[in-house]
Amino acid sequence: QVQLQESGPGLVKPSETLSLTCSVSGASIRDYYWSWIRQPPGKGLEFIGYLYDTVKTNYNPPLQSRVTISVDTSKNQFSLRLRSVTTADTAVYYCVREARGLGVWGQGTLVTVSS
Amino acid sequence: DVEMTQSPLSLPVTLGQPASISCRSSQSLAHSDGNTYLNWFQQRPGQSPRRLVYRLSNRDSGVPDRFSGSGSGTDFTLKISRVEAEDLGIYYCMQGTHWPYTFGQGTKLEIK
Repeated sequence: QVQLQESGPGLVKPSETLSLTCSVSGASIRDYYWSWIRQPPGKGLEFIGYLYDTVKTNYNPPLQSRVTISVDTSKNQFSLRLRSVTTADTAVYYCVREARGLGVWGQGTLVTVSS
Repeated sequence: DVEMTQSPLSLPVTLGQPASISCRSSQSLAHSDGNTYLNWFQQRPGQSPRRLVYRLSNRDSGVPDRFSGSGSGTDFTLKISRVEAEDLGIYYCMQGTHWPYTFGQGTKLEIK
């Protein structure tokens, strides 16, 4: 059974970098596409980007200049870095298996941007 | 970007009765590979989204058969044949045909 677990700081200061890691069990990170999705409190879902073939990425254009998604195959993990955050980046961040289909979701982690 | 428009945004239902959610896309979601990448998700209060239907009409493992997805082109529907209490929550459609992939605004299914 595939399981995904997000981890990282729950509080980030404005202008700093948000960094999250997703630990994957039950599936090899090499075999699938892996995505990050976010959901501001009380709002809808936004696609941040995805990684495939362990090195290729595709980012949502409004976030492209600030986002990096990378993978650590030795740990079966993938990560999200979002630079120069503002309060608008406050959201629950989900790591998800697949991109077109988003078949398996992590439980999500709330990241608050505040000084 | 492809805009996904759901209706209604709020759906009061009586337990045991059917329910239907509409999702319209601003472009056809038919992909050149023959698939239509239209998915439906359920998000119960305090939980992460769970996929119910993928590629238009394929139900995920463990999803009750009272849920069904249909449609084509730009017009899609999620139907619940008989609503149960555990079905309450927010439902989202999402297209995976055109990058960036996009979600509908969500439809809140609640008890009448």
